[in-house]
Amino acid sequence: DVKVTQSSRYLVKRTGEKVFLECVQDMDHENMFWYRQDPGLGLRLIYFSYDVKMKEKGDIPEGYSVSREKKERFSLILESASTNQTSMYLCASSFPATGGSTGELFFGEGSRLTVL
Amino acid sequence: DQQVKQNSPSLSVQEGRISILNCDYTNSMFDYFLWYKKYPAEGPTFLISISSIKDKNEDGRFTVFLNKSAKHLSLHIVPSQPGDSAVYFCAATGYSTLTFGKGTMLLVSP
Repeated sequence: DVKVTQSSRYLVKRTGEKVFLECVQDMDHENMFWYRQDPGLGLRLIYFSYDVKMKEKGDIPEGYSVSREKKERFSLILESASTNQTSMYLCASSFPATGGSTGELFFGEGSRLTVL
Repeated sequence: DQQVKQNSPSLSVQEGRISILNCDYTNSMFDYFLWYKKYPAEGPTFLISISSIKDKNEDGRFTVFLNKSAKHLSLHIVPSQPGDSAVYFCAATGYSTLTFGKGTMLLVSP
């Protein structure tokens, strides 16, 4: 069974704090992703990575950075948290699909971040 | 520009009846489509997918139909059960990452 584990289910941080969200997958997937989910906006891609040390910007990368030092771990960093970053953050992983497109994603349970 | 659209934010259905969730897309490069189901406070889980070379894919109570000329796909759930109550996301891909719709909240009442 594929397992994607996010380190914190619920976090409360103050404006300006640095926030780390950790994600670990145990299926040796090459691809890893960070999404945020907001009511009425669906799932929006923040950053993704196709391999160790590689990262690509998604649709809404502003205010975020990522780190992938090991294949199984993908971290999302909020350098200086702001109230508009209050959201549900979802990590996902996958094998590469044929043709270069993304295969089926396996999601973690999510991290609910509140920035005060 | 929204490339994957789910125009119904919510849908209410009675138990035992059919649920039909719709999804439209604009990008002609999309060739693989997926549906995900999400319960509150949990991550989305994969439900069913369809390749653009097919027009129908069935898995138990779930069937996805694809109409490429109309750039439209639909998810049919028959019969609907209260445990199907969740948010359903349509997603599409063609050459890179998945693009998700905004989701449709399905409520199945007993």
